[in-house]
Amino acid sequence: QSALTQPASVSGSPQQSITISCTGNTSDIGTNNYVSWYQQHPGKAPKLIIYDVSDRPSGVSNRFSGSKSGNTASLTISGLRAEDEADYFCISYTNSIIRFGGGTKLTVL
Amino acid sequence: QVQLVQSGAEVKKPGASVKVSCETSGYTFISYGITWIRQAPGQGLEWLGWIDSYNGHTNYAQKFQGRVTMTTETPASTAYMELRRLRSDDTAVYYCARGVGNEGFGYWGQGTLITVSS
Repeated sequence: QSALTQPASVSGSPQQSITISCTGNTSDIGTNNYVSWYQQHPGKAPKLIIYDVSDRPSGVSNRFSGSKSGNTASLTISGLRAEDEADYFCISYTNSIIRFGGGTKLTVL
Repeated sequence: QVQLVQSGAEVKKPGASVKVSCETSGYTFISYGITWIRQAPGQGLEWLGWIDSYNGHTNYAQKFQGRVTMTTETPASTAYMELRRLRSDDTAVYYCARGVGNEGFGYWGQGTLITVSS
C-alpha cells in the first residue's frame, strides 16, 4: 500500500492544463520540501521532472510545474501534448526514508 | 555523461538469491549514494533502500531487512543489490538510481527484470 495518495487517473485534451495531487501527512510531505515528480512511459525508466517541490531539472519543459500546500504536493502540466501521456509518480524523502505515490495515469484525449 | 548500466534479466526459482549490478560512469562515484527501487508488473514503485557510496552505510526499507544486502565496489564504480529467499511476488523490474532522494533521482539504470518462478 502506497504511503502517498495520488488519483489513479486523470485526463485532458491537448492544450489544456491538468493537475495531479500527491497527499501525504505531517510526517512526510508536510515536513520538508523534498518532493519530486517522475514521468514514466511504458517500458521505460522513470524520468525526473520536478525536484524539491518546484524545481525543474535542466532540459525539462517549463510546461511542468510543481507546488505544495500543507501535506499535499501538486504537479501541473500546461499545454498538454500527446507525448505527455504517461504515468506520473511522486516521491517524498524524510529522515532518510523514501515514500512513493501509487502513480497516476495521464490520458491525453 | 552520467550513465547507470545494470546487469541483465534473470530467472530464479523460489528460495534462490539474485545479485544485480549497477555500473556507473560520468561522475565521481563516491560523491553520490545509490538507491534501489523496484516495480512489479503493472504496479507502482517500491523502495528497497540505499547505500552511501562514500562509506558503505546502508539504509534498508523495513520490509526487506534481513533479505537484502547492498554493496559497492569503488574501483569499478559499481553498486550491487542482493535479494535472498526469493518469492514469486519479488518478480519485478529492479532499478538503481543515483542519490538517496533528497535531490530527486535524476539518473536511473535501465532496469533489470527479475522473474521468480518454479
